[in-house]
Formats: sequence, structure tokens, C-alpha cells
Amino acid sequence: QVQLQQSGAELAKPGSSVKISCKASGYTFTSYYISWIKQTTGQGLEYIGYINTGSGGTNYNEKFKGKATLTVDKSSSTAFMQLSSLTPDDSAVYYCARLIGRGTHDYWGQGVMVTVSS
Amino acid sequence: DVVMTQTPVSLSLAIGQPASISCKSSQSLLGTSGKTFLNWILQRPGQSPKRLIYQVSKLYSEVPDRFSGSGSETEFTLKISRVEAEDLGVYYCWQGTHFPYTFGAGTKLELK
Repeated sequence: QVQLQQSGAELAKPGSSVKISCKASGYTFTSYYISWIKQTTGQGLEYIGYINTGSGGTNYNEKFKGKATLTVDKSSSTAFMQLSSLTPDDSAVYYCARLIGRGTHDYWGQGVMVTVSS
Repeated sequence: DVVMTQTPVSLSLAIGQPASISCKSSQSLLGTSGKTFLNWILQRPGQSPKRLIYQVSKLYSEVPDRFSGSGSETEFTLKISRVEAEDLGVYYCWQGTHFPYTFGAGTKLELK
């Protein structure tokens, strides 16, 4: 069965970076793109961008350019998102999701809570 | 960016009652392919979002047929014919036609 297993919660200091992972199983990893989505109480769900898991090509929401960097490791069927120059506004739950066809997610990871605090 | 507006913000219903949630987009979601990438997801308390409906009205295989989706262009509706206890949570519409993809603010379904 398709699963997206995300890494554990992160506590980070302002100005630092974190790298969270999304390990896929149950399907051919490079056949589907992976999306990343941010969820906060205040802003709701925000789309960060997606990565072509075969080529590594990316497409970012303008709002997250310079904040998020998406990469993949095909050998381990894992997608990564690095968040840099962290501020308290980056505190959120971050989800990965499998993007099928265009504009549809069929499976979501369990989410990673990132807390930015000094 | 396309703005997705959901109403109502919350619904309090008894088991067996019907439910209806509206989702309106600031631009037409009809894509150049002739498809409309309007999706519905459900986030139960403490869980990640789960798929419900894609391309306006197509139910994923595990979704009960008491759920239905309809609409076109900029106006869409999610209906539940008879609410059950497992249906509580927050429903979101989101569009995948225009990048960046965008989400509605959610409709919280509570049981009365």
C-alpha cells in the first residue's frame, strides 16, 4: 500500500535551518511528483511547491522561494524539504503529498511539526 | 493567486442529516485540458488530510457514496446525503488548475 512516512518533529532556533524528509513506499517513487504543504492555525493550508522525483526539477510558490528547497534521493525513495533562515512564522505542520496527474493529491504524509523558538 | 472561499465556516448537524458546503473560486478552474481540478479533502481531528473527491465530482474508491461533488467554473458544492459520526472534521476544497495551488479556509463539521 502507498505510504508517505515523514520524519519527526523539529525544534529549531531562529536563523537556523531544518531538513525534513518524506519516505515513499508501496509504489514506484519516480512515477509521481511530491508536493509540500504548510499548515498553520492562522494561515490555513498553503502550497509550497512540488518536485519531479525523476528529474529533480522543482516548481515553487513565489511566496516560498528562498525559504524552501526541495530535493530527492531516488536511491532511498525519499523527498526532502529544507527550510532556511527560520523565523517564528515558519512554525507549522508541514505535509508531503503525492501529486497524481495534475492538481490532485491522493496520499498525504502524517505531517511534521516544526517549532521555531529561541 | 486564486482565492478559494468556503461557506459556511462551521456546520453543526445531527447524525442522519444532510450537509452542504460551498466553495467558490476567484477564477474559473476549467483548465486548458478541458478538466477542472477542484478537489475536496477531509481532515479529521489530529490527523493529516485524506482524499475525498477530485475533478469536481469523482470519488476515490474508498469514499462512501453518501458524498457527492458538483459544480463548474467558479462554484462548487460538496454534499453529504446523511451525516455519520465518522464524517466529523474539517473539509477543505482546493484547486490544482492554477499554480500555485490554493486551498479554502475550511468548513468544520461538528455533530450536534
